[in-house]
Amino acid sequence: NAGVMQNPRHLVRRRGQEARLRCSPMKGHSHVYWYRQLPEEGLKFMVYLQKENIIDESGMPKERFSAEFPKEGPSILRIQQVVRGDSAAYFCASSPQTSGSQVQYFGPGTRLTVT
Amino acid sequence: EDQVTQSPEALRLQEGESSSLNCSYTVSGLRGLFWYRQDPGKGPEFLFTLYSAGEEKEKERLKATLTKKESFLHITAPKPEDSATYLCAVQESGSARQLTFGSGTQLTVLP
Repeated sequence: NAGVMQNPRHLVRRRGQEARLRCSPMKGHSHVYWYRQLPEEGLKFMVYLQKENIIDESGMPKERFSAEFPKEGPSILRIQQVVRGDSAAYFCASSPQTSGSQVQYFGPGTRLTVT
Repeated sequence: EDQVTQSPEALRLQEGESSSLNCSYTVSGLRGLFWYRQDPGKGPEFLFTLYSAGEEKEKERLKATLTKKESFLHITAPKPEDSATYLCAVQESGSARQLTFGSGTQLTVLP
């Protein structure tokens, strides 16, 4: 039973370029969450999505960041015009349903380096 | 605003030396408290979920407990392979599903 998959695992972008991070949830999971871990800081929530819907984007920076989870295919976190401060590990998690408190299972992360 | 504070920040133990990690939290209502383990360069690995005060869960050398204001992760007779960062997270009751994480306790178990 495959876990949460993320790719690429490492991504290097120059300032001003775009970064696209992909996340495939666990089989049977329809809820996806994105978190960011800055160097020497804890994990911070960014966005919560279901298929074709953004449910909660309260942790997402207002500019340059967007997320989607289409009917088919992986969830995408997109960062436009990257800056050095975007360098971080980005983790995706998935859960099976919304009733009760469902465990969120994390992927291995994408480590973004902006040069 | 939800707050999660973990202590100590770092802990070094000798193999076999039992200890406890602390997670104190402030939320208006608790839906669940989660413990994860994170190894360097990897994603958090789920360990336990606790829902109500007085609840306890065990897995091998680990035991998690919950009160109304804090949770403890007890490590009994640890081994070097238990070395990792242990993360605590809370999920608030209501419609929000986000986890609020503490900054973690970095545990090193020396052989």
